[in-house]
Amino acid sequence: DAGVTQSPTHLIKTRGQQVTLRCSPISGHKSVSWYQQVLGQGPQFIFQYYEKEERGRGNFPDRFSARQFPNYSSELNVNALLLGDSALYLCASRIQGGYEQYFGPGTRLTVT
Amino acid sequence: QQQVKQSPQSLIVQKGGIPIINCAYENTAFDYFPWYQQFPGKGPALLIAIRPDVSEKKEGRFTISFNKSAKQFSLHIMDSQPGDSATYFCAASMMSTSYDKVIFGPGTSLSVIP
Repeated sequence: DAGVTQSPTHLIKTRGQQVTLRCSPISGHKSVSWYQQVLGQGPQFIFQYYEKEERGRGNFPDRFSARQFPNYSSELNVNALLLGDSALYLCASRIQGGYEQYFGPGTRLTVT
Repeated sequence: QQQVKQSPQSLIVQKGGIPIINCAYENTAFDYFPWYQQFPGKGPALLIAIRPDVSEKKEGRFTISFNKSAKQFSLHIMDSQPGDSATYFCAASMMSTSYDKVIFGPGTSLSVIP
């Protein structure tokens, strides 16, 4: 089975722009979570979506938003990009009733 | 209370050595403690995990020791190999709430020298 997939792999944006990142969970996984990993640090929780509903939100500004589609794929949107938004954005999925979260390879976002 | 502390920040061992990474948490509501391995430019990969009702878990060369009363847990890597060189993150979460927020430690960079 394919793992969690994310697109694009890399992205370069300018301050003030908007970006959309995409994630496809493992087949059968209905829960998708987004994390931000700044270089040299552990991932920080941004959002969780389960069955297309937001189940959790981390300590991130309203510039960050997400949604989940009927096929359980998900998008993360970031508006008004700041230099500090430069990071690896990770998507993770989990099967209902399971404990293990499986991460995708991430999208490397660079804001200049 | 949501923090997970991890030490050391970096670790260098000889091939065949047993690196040990330690973590501590405060929130007793955490009920799932995974360890992730991350190579440069890749996403974290689940290595091994433990629930608080178990004191030790082994999977291949990886062992988690868990001390519930001290709120500490550690990862031991037996017979370490150069291919184990990576960043290791301990983590904690409350999966029983169906809320997937995983709190990660700051990471330990492990180098295994041939």
